[in-house]
Amino acid sequence: DARVTQTPRHKVTEMGQEVTMRCQPILGHNTVFWYRQTMMQGLELLAYFRNRAPLDDSGMPKDRFSAEMPDATLATLKIQPSEPRDSAVYFCASGLVNTGAIYGYTFGSGTRLTVV
Amino acid sequence: DQQVKQNSPSLSVQEGRISILNCDYTNSMFDYFLWYKKYPAEGPTFLISISSIKDKNEDGRFTVFLNKSAKHLSLHIVPSQPGDSAVYFCAASSLTGGGADGLTFGKGTHLIIQP
Repeated sequence: DARVTQTPRHKVTEMGQEVTMRCQPILGHNTVFWYRQTMMQGLELLAYFRNRAPLDDSGMPKDRFSAEMPDATLATLKIQPSEPRDSAVYFCASGLVNTGAIYGYTFGSGTRLTVV
Repeated sequence: DQQVKQNSPSLSVQEGRISILNCDYTNSMFDYFLWYKKYPAEGPTFLISISSIKDKNEDGRFTVFLNKSAKHLSLHIVPSQPGDSAVYFCAASSLTGGGADGLTFGKGTHLIIQP
């Protein structure tokens, strides 16, 4: 089964440190999303890419978050500096837009981030 | 402003009975709705979907009903099984956009199936 791979699965870091989360989308998928899950807000869309180009990052705090897709096999989400309120589970999802991507959105297992 | 609302954080149902999970939305541009299921320590997985041109879609034990005038949808699981215990997320998108702009999720309902 094709799957979206996220690393690390868990990350504990101190406030102020830089955190980088990585995602390997499914080969052939042209759209990559980053979501954040918290108890209060549920699943929030942070940013997404199509064909590696950033299309929307309005869901992200711009001052500390950045998302990039250096190549088709890697998407990254970086937080610098991290704060305790960033503690959440971060999901990456990928899909193929031109075939009706709604069916094709596959989520990774997530990175559980704890900032202390 | 929550555009997709799941007002029941949890629901407990006996095994073999029907589980009904509810979802309301406010954005009239939404025309495609999905249900995702999530187990602990895993990502959400797609369960069933419905387009706004339909009012019902069925897949095995799972049926989704859509009431456009009320901006309400529900997921019925019958009969409920222990493996159905999970968090269920309602999600919405605009099909005219190809679903390419991401999904808007509700906060989820934790379904517990009791033996």
